[in-house]
Amino acid sequence: KAGVTQTPRYLIKTRGQQVTLSCSPISGHRSVSWYQQTPGQGLQFLFEYFSETQRNKGNFPGRFSGRQFSNSRSEMNVSTLELGDSALYLCASQDRGGETQYFGPGTRLLVL
Amino acid sequence: GNSVTQMEGPVTLSEEAFLTINCTYTATGYPSLFWYVQYPGEGLQLLLKATKADDKGSNKGFEATYRKETTSFHLEKGSVQVSDSAVYFCALEPDPGGTSYGKLTFGQGTILTVHP
Repeated sequence: KAGVTQTPRYLIKTRGQQVTLSCSPISGHRSVSWYQQTPGQGLQFLFEYFSETQRNKGNFPGRFSGRQFSNSRSEMNVSTLELGDSALYLCASQDRGGETQYFGPGTRLLVL
Repeated sequence: GNSVTQMEGPVTLSEEAFLTINCTYTATGYPSLFWYVQYPGEGLQLLLKATKADDKGSNKGFEATYRKETTSFHLEKGSVQVSDSAVYFCALEPDPGGTSYGKLTFGQGTILTVHP
């Protein structure tokens, strides 16, 4: 099976803009989780989707949002970008009842 | 809430040395425990996991045992190689009886450098 894919891999934006990142899970996996990785804060959970429903959300402002489509692909959106949003954004997929999350290569976002 | 604490890094070793990276956790119930590895410029790769007390996860010469009595999941390898240089993350997923769907809690990561 193909692994988790994320697009784009790299992105440069300026403050105030918005950005949309995409994640395609492993075939058959219906749960997608998103994480933000920064040198200062480490890996932090953003949200999780299952069957197009957000089931869990981390402690991030409302500028961070996401959605999941019927084919389990997921997108996350960050509006009104701030310099502190520069990070590696990772998504992971998990099959129903599975214990393991499988991660994609990440999207590296740089906000100037 | 749940938390994971890893030993302070970075860790620098010579090839063929013994490796231990300590990991302790705080969680209710019976979480699942994981070690992930991250190579430069890449995402996280699952290294090993354990889902119940006394389970031993192993992969590529790495081992870790789920110790509920000490709430620990220390990573060990008997003989490291230069190719093991990477960042290692300990993580937990809460007891499936809860509502923390899809949320892994990670330690801060330990940078390992292995010299020839």
